[in-house]
Amino acid sequence: DTGVSQNPRHKITKRGQNVTFRCDPISEHNRLYWYRQTLGQGPEFLTYFQNEAQLEKSRLLSDRFSAERPKGSFSTLEIQRTEQGDSAMYLCASSLGYRSGRANEQFFGPGTRLTVL
Amino acid sequence: AQTVTQSQPEMSVQEAETVTLSCTYDTSESDYYLFWYKQPPSRQMILVIRQEAYKQQNATENRFSVNFQKAAKSFSLKISDSQLGDAAMYFCAYIVAAGNKLTFGGGTRVLVKP
Repeated sequence: DTGVSQNPRHKITKRGQNVTFRCDPISEHNRLYWYRQTLGQGPEFLTYFQNEAQLEKSRLLSDRFSAERPKGSFSTLEIQRTEQGDSAMYLCASSLGYRSGRANEQFFGPGTRLTVL
Repeated sequence: AQTVTQSQPEMSVQEAETVTLSCTYDTSESDYYLFWYKQPPSRQMILVIRQEAYKQQNATENRFSVNFQKAAKSFSLKISDSQLGDAAMYFCAYIVAAGNKLTFGGGTRVLVKP
């Protein structure tokens, strides 16, 4: 396992459709994060999991967004009824647990670029 | 709320020369970490260097070094002997020691001229 992987890499959808993205973290990492990055900006935090528990959600994560990590391994991010404003790069990151002393060092995947027409 | 500011949208450097990227942050916390991430065009974000706030010594990773001024809340990145592969967006990021979310600056685009 060489790093965080995300699928698909690109997604084009029509407004109103639902989309789902997948993230596979580094295998020994029990923490998983989702960020959103719009063009020319830095990433913004969306949500965080420790194992299967979703422990924090940003106010950016509206009711149309839902994230899961059912078995504490891969995670999915679903956007329902997509809007043009949802167009962005969605980044996933993972890290070791707090006891490792390096919990704050997050490793990023390549991202999924969403375009809503 | 913590904020991270990168005041230079773009910096240009000649190959083999040195460039310094600025970053300032605002926080009331005393224990935190700072990072510089590199994001090449259409490629994933890579951690370049990390600094623990409790350490006075500035971090160094090969050609990359930081100037961490805790009182001034400043965290600049110096890239020495710039190479064409250094061309990318560079993001400064902050996280509270017991926290879970990185707060990023707006980024600085580095152009390397051959």
